[in-house]
Amino acid sequence: KAGVTQTPRYLIKTRGQQVTLSCSPISGHRSVSWYQQTPGQGLQFLFEYFSETQRNKGNFPGRFSGRQFSNSRSEMNVSTLELGDSALYLCASSLASSSYEQYFGPGTRLTVT
Amino acid sequence: GQQVMQIPQYQHVQEGEDFTTYCNSSTTLSNIQWYKQRPGGHPVFLIQLVKSGEVKKQKRLTFQFGEAKKNSSLHITATQTTDVGTYFCAGNQGAQKLVFGQGTRLTINP
Repeated sequence: KAGVTQTPRYLIKTRGQQVTLSCSPISGHRSVSWYQQTPGQGLQFLFEYFSETQRNKGNFPGRFSGRQFSNSRSEMNVSTLELGDSALYLCASSLASSSYEQYFGPGTRLTVT
Repeated sequence: GQQVMQIPQYQHVQEGEDFTTYCNSSTTLSNIQWYKQRPGGHPVFLIQLVKSGEVKKQKRLTFQFGEAKKNSSLHITATQTTDVGTYFCAGNQGAQKLVFGQGTRLTINP
């Protein structure tokens, strides 16, 4: 079974730009969660999607948004990038919810200059 | 909101020594999960504990869930260099989001 894939793996953007990251979950998994990982803050929950609906949301500004498609693939978007948005963005899929084990993708390393 | 605290933040041991990381939640958890992230890698699921007082073992790793379901621990016996990485606990409260602890970074002197 193929694992979680994320594209792109690396991204460099400048302040003020926007970015879209993509995540393809494991086949059959319907829940996709997004996390931001930084050295100082650890793993911070962004949002969780299930059947195209946002089920949970973390404490991030409205510049961070996401969506899920009917095939369970998910995208997250960050608008008006700030230097502090530089981080590793991890996507995790699970069968039905975050109560189940999460399978993480390799992440997208975003650098904002 | 729900918070999960994990200590210590860093731990350096000699190969062969034991290692323990502790996780404490501000609220009662429905379950707790443990993950390991190798340097440069992504978190990998280790185990999930659901029952009060539950103890599970995986070879040299022992996981415990407290009686009140508010704390948990991971103990590694006789560490090996392959154990290097950051260990995260993550707590779940019902249908709420999964909240990760800050992680314990384990380094080992061979």
